[in-house]
Amino acid sequence: GQNIDQPTEMTATEGAIVQINCTYQTSGFNGLFWYQQHAGEAPTFLSYNVLDGLEEKGRFSSFLSRSKGYSYLLLKELQMKDSASYLCAVRDSPGSNDYKLSFGAGTTVTVRA
Amino acid sequence: DAGITQSPRHKVTETGTPVTLRCHQTENHRYMYWYRQDPGHGLRLIHYSYGVKDTDKGEVSDGYSVSRSKTEDFLLTLESATSSQTSVYFCAISEPGGGYTFGSGTRLTVV
Repeated sequence: GQNIDQPTEMTATEGAIVQINCTYQTSGFNGLFWYQQHAGEAPTFLSYNVLDGLEEKGRFSSFLSRSKGYSYLLLKELQMKDSASYLCAVRDSPGSNDYKLSFGAGTTVTVRA
Repeated sequence: DAGITQSPRHKVTETGTPVTLRCHQTENHRYMYWYRQDPGHGLRLIHYSYGVKDTDKGEVSDGYSVSRSKTEDFLLTLESATSSQTSVYFCAISEPGGGYTFGSGTRLTVV
């Protein structure tokens, strides 16, 4: 089976930095995704890592270490609109007839003024 | 953004009744997925499709069936709804190697 762990909740102050960790144990690995989900809305794509290292996209960065089964999402210069749930997802079926993702339970980030 | 719509957006149904949720896409994507989202569990895969008439089960498929008779439509059916199937259902589409684009979700309540 798949095991993807991330913290349930985090709170940070506007303008600060928050790091959301994700550890995974899956039967295979073919990429890790981060999604953002505001309350009552659908998840939206944030980032994708398939090789080790850091991917930067504006205020958001994502890091991957395949040997450690570990990723983090870094949110810089936090804004109130960043209050949302952040979902870590792993694609574990390289080359097969499906490209399904397994999701962690999500981390709810609350940004305080 | 890929065009993907789910219907209905909200539904209340009684225990034991059949329910069908529809996912419609306009982008000709091959892969389509149905997930349910519940507090504490995150998104869990129910069924997925990798082409017309090609479907397979996910991790929580019991009590659900799907059909895909044409590329643009992926239907999820609860044959006899139970209270444990009260959830938010999301459809998603993808291309090989790509991430998902999600529909807006269907909030289903079984009373």
